[in-house]
Amino acid sequence: GQQLNQSPQSMFIQEGEDVSMNCTSSSIFNTWLWYKQDPGEGPVLLIALYKAGELTSNGRLTAQFGITRKDSFLNISASIPSDVGIYFCAGLFNAGGTSYGKLTFGQGTILTVHP
Amino acid sequence: ETGVTQTPRHLVMGMTNKKSLKCEQHLGHNAMYWYKQSAKKPLELMFVYNFKEQTENNSVPSRFSPECPNSSHLFLHLHTLQPEDSALYLCASSQDLEGVYGYTFGSGTRLTVV
Repeated sequence: GQQLNQSPQSMFIQEGEDVSMNCTSSSIFNTWLWYKQDPGEGPVLLIALYKAGELTSNGRLTAQFGITRKDSFLNISASIPSDVGIYFCAGLFNAGGTSYGKLTFGQGTILTVHP
Repeated sequence: ETGVTQTPRHLVMGMTNKKSLKCEQHLGHNAMYWYKQSAKKPLELMFVYNFKEQTENNSVPSRFSPECPNSSHLFLHLHTLQPEDSALYLCASSQDLEGVYGYTFGSGTRLTVV
């Protein structure tokens, strides 16, 4: 089946630093999603990407859909303490028509921000 | 209330107990999902429902029994669980099975089996 490799597994950074994480896949996706999970909560969608090469921003977050359709990255600029949490990438491949896609999740990147 | 609501937030049960997890979505979505989240593992899809019909059972043991009476409600009935079933159980919904706009997750039920 499809697998996503997300790296790094964890990051410890100082407040104000920029963060970068990525996901790679052995197969192509036509949608990439990035989620954040706060402690004790469910994942919340941050950014959705629908086109190879697409670069999308949401405040201090920027994500890109890799040109090969097998990877995506997420950048967080000028990190703040509330950025702490687990970040998940998720990929979706839809064949279209009556078939449906199924989200495949990465293992997550645990982000710790020191004030 | 909006979004996806899960109850209870925390549950401790013995291996011989029977309990149920509840999920309710107020988003008008047609597809609902159960996921299991264990420490240091990716999210594991358990069940998928579309218009209250089960479309996927991801080889889940029969001690987990889902029920979807309508498109807004999803239950997970639990009986004779094992300690390794302790995890965060997440419910999610999406507009349709294509899921291209992503899934909306609930806050989860933290289950501990003793």
